[in-house]
Amino acid sequence: QKEVEQNSGPLSVPEGAIASLNCTYSDRGSQSFFWYRQYSGKSPELIMFIYSNGDKEDGRFTAQLNKASQYVSLLIRDSQPSDSATYLCAGDQGAQKLVFGQGTRLTINP
Amino acid sequence: NAGVTQTPKFQVLKTGQSMTLQCAQDMNHNSMYWYRQDPGMGLRLIYYSASEGTTDKGEVPNGYNVSRLNKREFSLRLESAAPSQTSVYFCASTKQGRNSPLHFGNGTRLTVT
Repeated sequence: QKEVEQNSGPLSVPEGAIASLNCTYSDRGSQSFFWYRQYSGKSPELIMFIYSNGDKEDGRFTAQLNKASQYVSLLIRDSQPSDSATYLCAGDQGAQKLVFGQGTRLTINP
Repeated sequence: NAGVTQTPKFQVLKTGQSMTLQCAQDMNHNSMYWYRQDPGMGLRLIYYSASEGTTDKGEVPNGYNVSRLNKREFSLRLESAAPSQTSVYFCASTKQGRNSPLHFGNGTRLTVT
């Protein structure tokens, strides 16, 4: 079992709706979590990170962290076709070690 | 503003050949990483270097070696390439600190025949 797990999808969401992406982790020592977006053939780019329980908002994106249940989620409001990409969740495992989930492919349908 | 630079961008090897993937960053970052990405597998950590002078194994280190040449450069060597090492390789770097995000290079697409 991977230490960071994501549903690989594909996840299909209509334009303008909320896309919800989920990630679970097994290492209770993990403190910081990162969401990256990756377009096909490109390198990952950071969307946001979270390290405190609760919600963190940045524009149309909201990250949620629940350490008791060991899950992290990313909500994308007012989804746009340009949000179609693979979304990667990563968690730290101490000593600067960052481990990624397998990624969720998201498609926004016009 | 180069960021993280990887060379080469593409490479084709025959089974058993060796090669070194080069990575350099100009952001004065302490930590550097090598990941591989295969379809449906996300990014898997091969090796990382938390600081100059240290290297540690990640999830999939077998068949690879690394060298942290100095603070800027971190190379990945395949001593005897195998078809299972066909993948896209990404180098990344970050400042130290648990909330520091990774900055990625553009990737190297490697095919082993």
